[in-house]
Amino acid sequence: ENGLTQSPGTLSLSLGESAILSCRASQAVSSSYVAWYQQRVGQAPRLLFFGSSTRAAGVPDRFSGSGSGTDFTLTISRLEPEDSAVYYCQEYGTSPVMYTFGQGTKLEIK
Amino acid sequence: QVQLQESGPGLVKPSETLSLTCDVSGDSVISSRYYWGWIRQPPGQGLEWIGYVLSSGSTNSNPSLKSRLTMSVDTSKNQFSLKLTSVTAADTAVYYCARTSYWNFDLWGRGTLVTVSS
Repeated sequence: ENGLTQSPGTLSLSLGESAILSCRASQAVSSSYVAWYQQRVGQAPRLLFFGSSTRAAGVPDRFSGSGSGTDFTLTISRLEPEDSAVYYCQEYGTSPVMYTFGQGTKLEIK
Repeated sequence: QVQLQESGPGLVKPSETLSLTCDVSGDSVISSRYYWGWIRQPPGQGLEWIGYVLSSGSTNSNPSLKSRLTMSVDTSKNQFSLKLTSVTAADTAVYYCARTSYWNFDLWGRGTLVTVSS
């Protein structure tokens, strides 16, 4: 079973700045199997990216996803107040079938 | 507009069975494009995949929960369900149902908090 480590644990940035969130897998994973979610306080997670870099419907293009192998990145440019949330990466494993989430990165907007 | 809505008791006693249902509107559980899944989140913690059920009734689940877990689908009611037996305080969590697009979860219910306590 693969493990996902997200860093940093908490990120505190100002409006208009850019955020770079990291997700590292303990073993290489197909980029097709990596997704990112945003969870605002009191809400369910929302899919942001699938296939590592394909934006889900309605996600602003300020958000971008990238990566391959063991290292994946979520970048948010021109931060806005509504970007304040916890962001999770997730990977799909095949042997056995398993969906694993990272522990999350909390993004605070100052 | 597709929506998922969880329902079930908010309080379950230790050693008893947790039962939840997810009603699907705007889509059909018969769809072969999706699996119908469950994810939970203990208070203040991260996300844990529980499992999914297909319209055929086939299931796949987290090995750590498999021995206590039953999932089913009711195509006549367009809903799917979860039963988790022998619950303990460690099973206290917000339970989400989610449409599973093979490799990720593209649509989530709002979640329901289930507390295990006597």
